[in-house]
Amino acid sequence: DSGVTQTPKHLITATGQRVTLRCSPRSGDLSVYWYQQSLDQGLQFLIQYYNGEERAKGNILERFSAQQFPDLHSELNLSSLELGDSALYFCASEGGDSYEQYFGPGTRLTVT
Amino acid sequence: ILNVEQSPQSLHVQEGDSTNFTCSFPSSNFYALHWYRWETAKSPEALFVMTLNGDEKKKGRISATLNTKEGYSYLYIKGSQPEDSATYLCAFRDNYGQNFVFGPGTRLSVLP
Repeated sequence: DSGVTQTPKHLITATGQRVTLRCSPRSGDLSVYWYQQSLDQGLQFLIQYYNGEERAKGNILERFSAQQFPDLHSELNLSSLELGDSALYFCASEGGDSYEQYFGPGTRLTVT
Repeated sequence: ILNVEQSPQSLHVQEGDSTNFTCSFPSSNFYALHWYRWETAKSPEALFVMTLNGDEKKKGRISATLNTKEGYSYLYIKGSQPEDSATYLCAFRDNYGQNFVFGPGTRLSVLP
């Protein structure tokens, strides 16, 4: 158990809908990363937040957005969902000077 | 577009064999190189984070080296065990903080 929690575990929704994925980092970790793993692609970095501020942006679509709240949990919002958004979404938290990341169990999103 | 390559793509070894994989990344604007171990149906697990040229890290039977000038890192597993079977991912971070790119992974199978 990494100490990082993600909810929900599974999500099935229809095209055009909007969903919110939630991540709670390990206690004390200030940084949260979001990743996407699609069937036809490897792990893709989406976005990083550090202590409530956006720190780095990767291959995140404009239909996707994220935020980190004062209690350090983070949410990834996916809107106007398309079939191709079906994927496993991981978050990871990172703390201190070690740069080591601890991954949550992931949320599997299926868009039908 | 940054390119991170890993070789070989997959590897089958016998229990007790030692093995190594390569991660190639851009040699400019280096910030950090991460190694992860990813077992099927689980989340990626951080193995090492390497930041300095010439870094060598070790965790049990697994070790890694880093050459930032030529843009490669090696991961070594000594005396492979069946429980080492997993996909080993490397990820490159540049010093602008905007790029965090994963390689495609090396899939290791250790046969008893």
